[in-house]
Amino acid sequence: GAVVSQHPSWVICKSGTSVKIECRSLDFQATTMFWYRQFPKKSLMLMATSNEGSKATYEQGVEKDKFLINHASLTLSTLTVTSAHPEDSSFYICSVPGQAQYEQYFGPGTRLTVT
Amino acid sequence: QKEVEQNSGPLSVPEGAIASLNCTYSDRGSQSFFWYRQYSGKSPELIMSIYSNGDKEDGRFTAQLNKASQYVSLLIRDSQPSDSATYLCAVNMGFNKFYFGSGTKLNVKP
Repeated sequence: GAVVSQHPSWVICKSGTSVKIECRSLDFQATTMFWYRQFPKKSLMLMATSNEGSKATYEQGVEKDKFLINHASLTLSTLTVTSAHPEDSSFYICSVPGQAQYEQYFGPGTRLTVT
Repeated sequence: QKEVEQNSGPLSVPEGAIASLNCTYSDRGSQSFFWYRQYSGKSPELIMSIYSNGDKEDGRFTAQLNKASQYVSLLIRDSQPSDSATYLCAVNMGFNKFYFGSGTKLNVKP
């Protein structure tokens, strides 16, 4: 069964609005989760590391005020795209480290379309 | 700059042939390497992982790693049309952060 879930699986929003995407670890607790973005026909780009109980760490070039990450519990991380623009339209995928070293489980992804 | 490079393809092979996918990475200190398969509109799924120099075989898949050359490859034997997908090379560059290549699109022709 699924180890990681994301909600919603797809969302369409208007420019200027904010969208929240949830990532849940279903099988085990995760002090760390990762958020990736994938543009069409491009690879996954690591956006940020979500840390339970503390601030997320963002990769170079990712605007922390635009992509708000909250990791309020050991099973839930949320990514909020604030003041969305059409260029934010993308496939957003979260991942959770497994219990074995180097193991990584990916969520099914959330497709965001900003009109 | 941490980079993972792949040929974007598409790589076309006939059914039953061997498909060879290649990847190079920039961080010499990387310790773990992964191949993911991604179908259009779906999340990546893990195919193979490799941590030591040499070959690792799993069914029709063989991963090859050469840390001195900073090179990792994936061979798919007896390619099937269902293998048609984009294959992503990923490198764990520490702290469980995965950096992905741009992916190679594989087409297996019946």
